[in-house]
Amino acid sequence: AQKVTQAQTEISVVEKEDVTLDCVYETRDTTYYLFWYKQPPSGELVFLIRRNSFDEQNEISGRYSWNFQKSTSSFNFTITASQVVDSAVYFCALSEYNTDKLIFGTGTRLQVFP
Amino acid sequence: DTGVSQDPRHKITKRGQNVTFRCDPISEHNRLYWYRQTLGQGPEFLTYFQNEAQLEKSRLLSDRFSAERPKGSFSTLEIQRTEQGDSAMYLCASSFAGARNTEAFFGQGTRLTVV
Repeated sequence: AQKVTQAQTEISVVEKEDVTLDCVYETRDTTYYLFWYKQPPSGELVFLIRRNSFDEQNEISGRYSWNFQKSTSSFNFTITASQVVDSAVYFCALSEYNTDKLIFGTGTRLQVFP
Repeated sequence: DTGVSQDPRHKITKRGQNVTFRCDPISEHNRLYWYRQTLGQGPEFLTYFQNEAQLEKSRLLSDRFSAERPKGSFSTLEIQRTEQGDSAMYLCASSFAGARNTEAFFGQGTRLTVV
């Protein structure tokens, strides 16, 4: 069965601190996608990144970076120099290659204080 | 086209009533998904369509739930004889599946409260 675990329920940091959100997944598929979505208070899920299971290169986009390690089934997300606007719930998700059906973790609520 | 649109944004209904939600996907997207999200949880998959064909339904989708996508464009999700346990955020998403699949884009959701 497929499963995504986000062990951190809530994280609080002060602005400009770096923060890492953990994600561990389980799947028997050899081909799959991993995602991160942001859900601000407005409720809409905002897509941040998609990685396929063959691409273990780390990725950096501005203040965001992602570390994909197949050996530990982890796909962690780091925000560098956090800002108040980063406050949201962040979801890690896994999908089967053919259906795009998403299996979400329970989310990590990030609060960034000024 | 500015994204996935859901209507209404909020719905309060009495237990036992029927409700219907609408989702308008991004126009060129051929896949449409419905998810349900309860407080403090991640979204849970309910069903999805490729064009007008409903390809998969979750066991969460009891016989009181029905979804349609009659012309492969907008979709409706109906809940009959609502129960308090149906109170949740109902999210719609769309994507394009083809030579190059896109990721799923989500609407802002319909928050259902059953009283």
